[in-house]
Amino acid sequence: TQLLEQSPQFLSIQEGENLTVYCNSSSVFSSLQWYRQEPGEGPVLLVTVVTGGEVKKLKRLTFQFGDARKDSSLHITAAQPGDTGLYLCAGATSGTYKYIFGTGTRLKVLA
Amino acid sequence: GEEVAQTPKHLVRGEGQKAKLYCAPIKGHSYVFWYQQVLKNEFKFLISFQNENVFDETGMPKERFSAKCLPNSPCSLEIQATKLEDSAVYFCASSQWGPGLAGSEQFFGPGTRLTVL
Repeated sequence: TQLLEQSPQFLSIQEGENLTVYCNSSSVFSSLQWYRQEPGEGPVLLVTVVTGGEVKKLKRLTFQFGDARKDSSLHITAAQPGDTGLYLCAGATSGTYKYIFGTGTRLKVLA
Repeated sequence: GEEVAQTPKHLVRGEGQKAKLYCAPIKGHSYVFWYQQVLKNEFKFLISFQNENVFDETGMPKERFSAKCLPNSPCSLEIQATKLEDSAVYFCASSQWGPGLAGSEQFFGPGTRLTVL
């Protein structure tokens, strides 16, 4: 069974702090996506990474795909209350027809 | 449409009753995915479709769950004889391209909250 472990599971920080969320697996993924989900809504895609070692930036969010395409990280600089939500990574492997979601990281940013 | 639509928003069933959920994917999207979210965190893949064909159903508890995507109709997920542990939010997502492709993005619907009493 493919597993995507995220850490930490919960994170509560003050506005302005930096944080990193990790997504790890023993499987190799052809693509990996990061989503943010807010209460009562479906997840919204933040980024897709496909190349080992790839780094993508989205304003204050930096995403990195591991060289071996087995892991990924999401770094948020100067977190804001609007960043509060559930962050999910999701991977797809070649030859399969589904995405495997990570265990989720629930972030709360306090003003 | 431009958004994935899911109906109903909430569904309450007594244990043993049938539940049927609907999903209208974004027009032009060939792939549909169903997920079950329990405990507000864990997303469990259930089934995927490429047009009306089952793409991957390895996540489906087949003895009670079934799903269809027929032409010109919303996709559906049906649970026969619901159990307490089926209580969850069920999300549908659609994408233009299949998983693993660089341009693939899943667009999620707002979900259907199923409560089994």
